[in-house]
Amino acid sequence: DAKTTQPTSMDCAEGRAANLPCNHSTISGNEYVYWYRQIHSQGPQYIIHGLKNNETNEMASLIITEDRKSSTLILPHATLRDTAVYYCIVMEAGANSKLTFGKGITLSVRP
Amino acid sequence: DAGVTQSPTHLIKTRGQQVTLRCSPKSGHDTVSWYQQALGQGPQFIFQYYEEEERQRGNFPDRFSGHQFPNYSSELNVNALLLGDSALYLCASSPTGVSYEQYFGPGTRLTVT
Repeated sequence: DAKTTQPTSMDCAEGRAANLPCNHSTISGNEYVYWYRQIHSQGPQYIIHGLKNNETNEMASLIITEDRKSSTLILPHATLRDTAVYYCIVMEAGANSKLTFGKGITLSVRP
Repeated sequence: DAGVTQSPTHLIKTRGQQVTLRCSPKSGHDTVSWYQQALGQGPQFIFQYYEEEERQRGNFPDRFSGHQFPNYSSELNVNALLLGDSALYLCASSPTGVSYEQYFGPGTRLTVT
């Protein structure tokens, strides 16, 4: 079973920041938070991951609360191409790690 | 770099038949994982192959089996197909020790009638 809870859907205006929340209240000390997204008719795509510090890459920023029980994925300037299902996944980092997807949150970016 | 490729793109089978799906991993990747995605659901982990052996398996019956070849490509076999096996089957590859960052193929859409 997925260890995370996410809203079912949200929308934002093109060019604005999209803030996608995720709750993972039972996260353990050695588990990371990973984000993937799935654009319609494509396979999932890795976005970013973090343990306890905030992380940023060319796609997004990940903000993890100090108690690590929740996190927010931020797309700073959403475009229409960011419309997708976003999955928040909690998992240990290791060679045998398997991804456990929930239903994710559907982000709709409107013109 | 072609990325992860899967074949065929679409497939229609009849209940009770057997099917084989194929996956070629991204160049430099030696670990292959398979996922099943039913309509409206997130992908569900089937199994993972490394060094031609099944390293980890999800909650799927023995009707689902796989194989990995020396060139790291992989096959997923499903026997005695059920209507409930209709889904998108996704293959993902990753390099040794970095299985969290998996690269997914476009999937094979299997329809069982």
